[in-house]
Amino acid sequence: KQEVTQIPAALSVPEGENLVLNCSFTDSAIYNLQWFRQDPGKGLTSLLLIQSSQREQTSGRLNASLDKSSGRSTLYIAASQPGDSATYLCAVSVGGNKLVFGAGTILRVKS
Amino acid sequence: SQTIHQWPATLVQPVGSPLSLECTVEGTSNPNLYWYRQAAGRGLQLLFYSVGIGQISSEVPQNLSASRPQDRQFILSSKKLLLSDSGFYLCAWGGGYYEQYFGPGTRLTVT
Repeated sequence: KQEVTQIPAALSVPEGENLVLNCSFTDSAIYNLQWFRQDPGKGLTSLLLIQSSQREQTSGRLNASLDKSSGRSTLYIAASQPGDSATYLCAVSVGGNKLVFGAGTILRVKS
Repeated sequence: SQTIHQWPATLVQPVGSPLSLECTVEGTSNPNLYWYRQAAGRGLQLLFYSVGIGQISSEVPQNLSASRPQDRQFILSSKKLLLSDSGFYLCAWGGGYYEQYFGPGTRLTVT
């Protein structure tokens, strides 16, 4: 059974800092990995999708990497801003269009 | 572009009452559709998914059911709500490469 773990559970950083969020999964047989952002009381916004054959994806200040063999992904946020404060979720696609989610990392960027 | 709608946005229902949550997608045809629940302090849990009209797969046994009466409409129902049904319900549709896009969610409180 696929399990996804996110570390840390919560993170508080000053504005401008570069930071890394971690995601690990137990079964390397995945189709892709997605990083999402969730603001309080809102739905999920897709940030980055990394297909199983890819190593990384970049969008603006965000960079996500994938090491399928070791079951790890990282989300790197450069020059963090207060507007980045949210919960970040990673999810792996295990086939049949099923996503397995981690519990998320709550990020607070202080101004 | 594709848009996903959910309603109502919030709902307070007494124990034992029926439930009907609706999700509609615009701008795409024959999408895969999903219902997730996010309970307080827990990750997202896949409840149902559908690959076509009338085709529903259940992931978790419970007193909820789902239906897909039209191509872009997905409904989550219950005949009698339990306290444990409280949570944040999210609908999603599936794009290419098994990517999923989420709606704004419905906050359900069972009293």
